[in-house]
Amino acid sequence: NAGVMQNPRHLVRRRGQEARLRCSPMKGHSHVYWYRQLPEEGLKFMVYLQKENIIDESGMPKERFSAEFPKEGPSILRIQQVVRGDSAAYFCASSPATGDGNEQFFGPGTRLTVL
Amino acid sequence: RKEVEQDPGPFNVPEGATVAFNCTYSNSASQSFFWYRQDCRKEPKLLMSVYSSGNEDGRFTAQLNRASQYISLLIRDSKLSDSATYLCVVIPGYSSASKIIFGSGTRLSIRP
Repeated sequence: NAGVMQNPRHLVRRRGQEARLRCSPMKGHSHVYWYRQLPEEGLKFMVYLQKENIIDESGMPKERFSAEFPKEGPSILRIQQVVRGDSAAYFCASSPATGDGNEQFFGPGTRLTVL
Repeated sequence: RKEVEQDPGPFNVPEGATVAFNCTYSNSASQSFFWYRQDCRKEPKLLMSVYSSGNEDGRFTAQLNRASQYISLLIRDSKLSDSATYLCVVIPGYSSASKIIFGSGTRLSIRP
């Protein structure tokens, strides 16, 4: 049973380009969460999705960031017109369809560097 | 005041020592608590849940003090492999995922 998969593991973009981060949850998990971690800081919640639905996006910046979790395929976190401040590790986590309070399993993260 | 606060450390202790650190939370309605471990440049992994009655898993003991609003993690007979950052996680209740709060982590370094 493969764990949460994220790709790419490292992504380098120039200012103004788009970044697409992918996350495939663990088999049988229908809840996906995206977090951002800046150097020397804790994880900050961004968005919580189920298949074809955004449940909670209160942690997402109002502009340039979007997320989806289509019926087929991985969840995508998309950052348009990246800026240097977007450089961070982006972690995806998944959990079974049993709601809050359950363990979240994390993927290895995508490290985004904006030049 | 931050919702979840941890001493960033680093805690630098010799192998075999006992080390403990706390995590304080501000929301008295918080319901679920966890300790995660994060190795350098890796993803967080669940270490243990924290129950009201406290719980122990081998060398690790987690406790919850609701009156003072903190959770603790005690590591006995520390090993070199325990070197990592320990994140506490607080969930206020059975509500939106946006309320899952991660602490900034406490760095632990075990020396030979």
